[in-house]
Amino acid sequence: GNSVTQMEGPVTLSEEAFLTINCTYTATGYPSLFWYVQYPGEGLQLLLKATKADDKGSNKGFEATYRKETTSFHLEKGSVQVSDSAVYFCAQIQGAQKLVFGQGTRLTINP
Amino acid sequence: DSGVTQTPKHLITATGQRVTLRCSPRSGDLSVYWYQQSLDQGLQFLIQYYNGEERAKGNILERFSAQQFPDLHSELNLSSLELGDSALYFCASSVQPMTSGGSYNEQFFGPGTRLTVL
Repeated sequence: GNSVTQMEGPVTLSEEAFLTINCTYTATGYPSLFWYVQYPGEGLQLLLKATKADDKGSNKGFEATYRKETTSFHLEKGSVQVSDSAVYFCAQIQGAQKLVFGQGTRLTINP
Repeated sequence: DSGVTQTPKHLITATGQRVTLRCSPRSGDLSVYWYQQSLDQGLQFLIQYYNGEERAKGNILERFSAQQFPDLHSELNLSSLELGDSALYFCASSVQPMTSGGSYNEQFFGPGTRLTVL
């Protein structure tokens, strides 16, 4: 069935470093792809999305491009902040709006 | 604050017991989704309701059941609890599953209920 695979965590970076979190998916057809973020003690929040190939989702300095050729949706940010520390989930839509999530990547940014 | 509320925030119970988790969707949202987040299984879809009717089922155990009431709040019932049921249970809501154009309607997540089975 459809699945999502994220890079293993945890990831620890210094403030202002460049961030990449890898995400690849398997699916029949071309699902919509998402990045969700979970801050400590909170529920998930949609960070960005892309609904078709070559779409670029962006929000709060984060970007991800829907790459059909490599079935990937890697999350990037040019300069991370301490406030970006959270768990990041890559996900795809499957069937009747059922989100299929990757395993999550815990990101810690040190000042 | 997403506008989705879940109660209780924490629940501690014993094996073999039964619990009920409650979710109130955002005002105006007709669709409710339940997800389970555990250390070994990750974040998994359990079940979806739309306007009181079950729409989709995921990896939901037979010991678990859910319903959506006329006022659109939803309850997830977990029975004959086992240690492995300890997890964070999230509810999410959306206006409706899809727009008339066929695109995705964002799901807004509640803060979750942390269930601990001892």
